[in-house]
Amino acid sequence: EDQVTQSPEALRLQEGESSSLNCSYTVSGLRGLFWYRQDPGKGPEFLFTLYSAGEEKEKERLKATLTKKESFLHITAPKPEDSATYLCAVQATGYSTLTFGKGTMLLVSP
Amino acid sequence: DTGVSQNPRHKITKRGQNVTFRCDPISEHNRLYWYRQTLGQGPEFLTYFQNEAQLEKSRLLSDRFSAERPKGSFSTLEIQRTEQGDSAMYLCASSSGLRNGDTQYFGPGTRLTVL
Repeated sequence: EDQVTQSPEALRLQEGESSSLNCSYTVSGLRGLFWYRQDPGKGPEFLFTLYSAGEEKEKERLKATLTKKESFLHITAPKPEDSATYLCAVQATGYSTLTFGKGTMLLVSP
Repeated sequence: DTGVSQNPRHKITKRGQNVTFRCDPISEHNRLYWYRQTLGQGPEFLTYFQNEAQLEKSRLLSDRFSAERPKGSFSTLEIQRTEQGDSAMYLCASSSGLRNGDTQYFGPGTRLTVL
């Protein structure tokens, strides 16, 4: 059974204080690892897809990296508007459905 | 491209009533998914369609739940004889089904409250 564990559950940062969110996963074969951002009361917003170990992707202040067992979402010099829940999900080889972690709730204070 | 849309956005019902939700996917996407999300949890897979065919259903999907996608366009999710435990956010997503880029894009969700 595919499993995704995200840590920490919650993270509070000061504006400009860089940090990383962790996503550990077990899957029979990885088709893709996905990061989403979710604001309260809204649907998840797609951020990145990673396919193989060593791959990195960047978007503004966010950078996602992937190893064979985990993925990191690095947030550089965050701003209050980066406050949200960040969800990690895996898609197994041969399957289309996503298995999600519980998410990391990020709060960035000015 | 207006993205995935869902209606209604909020639904309050009494226990035992039936409810139906609608999802309109991104127009060129042939795959459509339903997920359920409760407070503090990530989305959990319920079912998915490729065109009009329902290809997979989760064990979470009891016989009170039924989903359809007539003509491979919009989809409906019906819950019969609702229970308080059905209270959740119901999310719809769609994807193009490409082998190496099957990214799912989510709609805004329908928040169901069962009293």
